[in-house]
Amino acid sequence: AQTVTQSQPEMSVQEAETVTLSCTYDTSESNYYLFWYKQPPSRQMILVIRQEAYKQQNATENRFSVNFQKAAKSFSLKISDSQLGDTAMYFCAFLDGTASKLTFGTGTRLQVTL
Amino acid sequence: EAGVAQSPRYKIIEKRQSVAFWCNPISGHATLYWYQQILGQGPKLLIQFQNNGVVDDSQLPKDRFSAERLKGVDSTLKIQPAKLEDSAVYLCASSSDRVLAKNIQYFGAGTRLSVL
Repeated sequence: AQTVTQSQPEMSVQEAETVTLSCTYDTSESNYYLFWYKQPPSRQMILVIRQEAYKQQNATENRFSVNFQKAAKSFSLKISDSQLGDTAMYFCAFLDGTASKLTFGTGTRLQVTL
Repeated sequence: EAGVAQSPRYKIIEKRQSVAFWCNPISGHATLYWYQQILGQGPKLLIQFQNNGVVDDSQLPKDRFSAERLKGVDSTLKIQPAKLEDSAVYLCASSSDRVLAKNIQYFGAGTRLSVL
């Protein structure tokens, strides 16, 4: 079974600064996908960024980028130019390439301050 | 394009009562998921439907939870009888069968259940 570990329960960053959220995972699969989801107080899970394991290039989406280290089974999220609207819970998630069951980490609560 | 719709947003019941949640996925999405998210944890998959058939219900407590997806569109998740430990947010998600979009799940806003 796959496991996803987020070791930072809470983080804080000042507006306009850069912050990195950590995620590690454990799997024996070679084909899989990794995701970062954002969950604001409204509770709706919003996809932030996706990475296919077979791609060496790190995914980027505007201010969001990942550092995908396949050998180390690490998948960190970097948020540049942090905004107040980035305040939310962030979940790292793993998807087996042969199934569609998402396995989530326990989340990191990010607070962006003035 | 309308997102995943869920209702109700909140529900408060007493233990041993029954409750039902409703989900309408994104139009055309063949796969529908129900997740349970206990406070302080990540969501955990309860059941997955492909059209109106069950793909995975290995984590569904079948003695008290049931779910159906009639006609392969809307879905209902029921708990009967509820226990205190069922207090959680119940999230519905859907995904497309199209190859490029197959692995992206879109979530609804969830139903927060409080069992007293």
